[in-house]
Amino acid sequence: DAGVIQSPRHEVTEMGQEVTLRCKPISGHDYLFWYRQTMMRGLELLIYFNNNVPIDDSGMPEDRFSAKMPNASFSTLKIQPSEPRDSAVYFCASSPGLAYHQGNEQFFGPGTRLTVL
Amino acid sequence: AQSVAQPEDQVNVAEGNPLTVKCTYSVSGNPYLFWYVQYPNRGLQFLLKYITGDNLVKGSYGFEAEFNKSQTSFHLKKPSALVSDSALYFCAVRGFRNSGNTPLVFGKGTRLSVIA
Repeated sequence: DAGVIQSPRHEVTEMGQEVTLRCKPISGHDYLFWYRQTMMRGLELLIYFNNNVPIDDSGMPEDRFSAKMPNASFSTLKIQPSEPRDSAVYFCASSPGLAYHQGNEQFFGPGTRLTVL
Repeated sequence: AQSVAQPEDQVNVAEGNPLTVKCTYSVSGNPYLFWYVQYPNRGLQFLLKYITGDNLVKGSYGFEAEFNKSQTSFHLKKPSALVSDSALYFCAVRGFRNSGNTPLVFGKGTRLSVIA
């Protein structure tokens, strides 16, 4: 398996522009997670999905952020409009989902480094 | 609410010496504990986990961790550090919930620097 795939790996954009980050989870994984990593705040969970349904989006910082999972093999995280403080590394992770089995680890993608000028 | 504390932002160790990266946790019920490593410009990689059973867990690259319930700790250890072990290490915890999989809660990370 190729692992979790994210694109683009690097994105540089100007303030006010729309940014779309993409993620392909590992085939067969039922859970998908979006994280943001910054020096100041560390690793923050933004949102996660189970079987393509958003379960908890309480970590999404503002209405400018939105995430979708139209099918089991694809998810997007969109920022519109982007701001300089959104500059961070955004990670996608996936995990198999076995009911009552809490021991499943999450598998992380390589991340997208976003720079908003 | 579950939480993880990594009390050291930075750990320095000489190559060949044993290393310890500390982690304490707070969770309702039985914990599921994990260690991840992040190399520069890479995503997090799973190292090892504690679910149940033996308190000493062995993982990738010669790392191991010891679960201590009374001290609510899950310290990461390695008998002999390598320069290539230099990276950012994250401890994570998940509390038990009957409803199924729940997200991991990550610590802030500890940067390990192994000096030749």
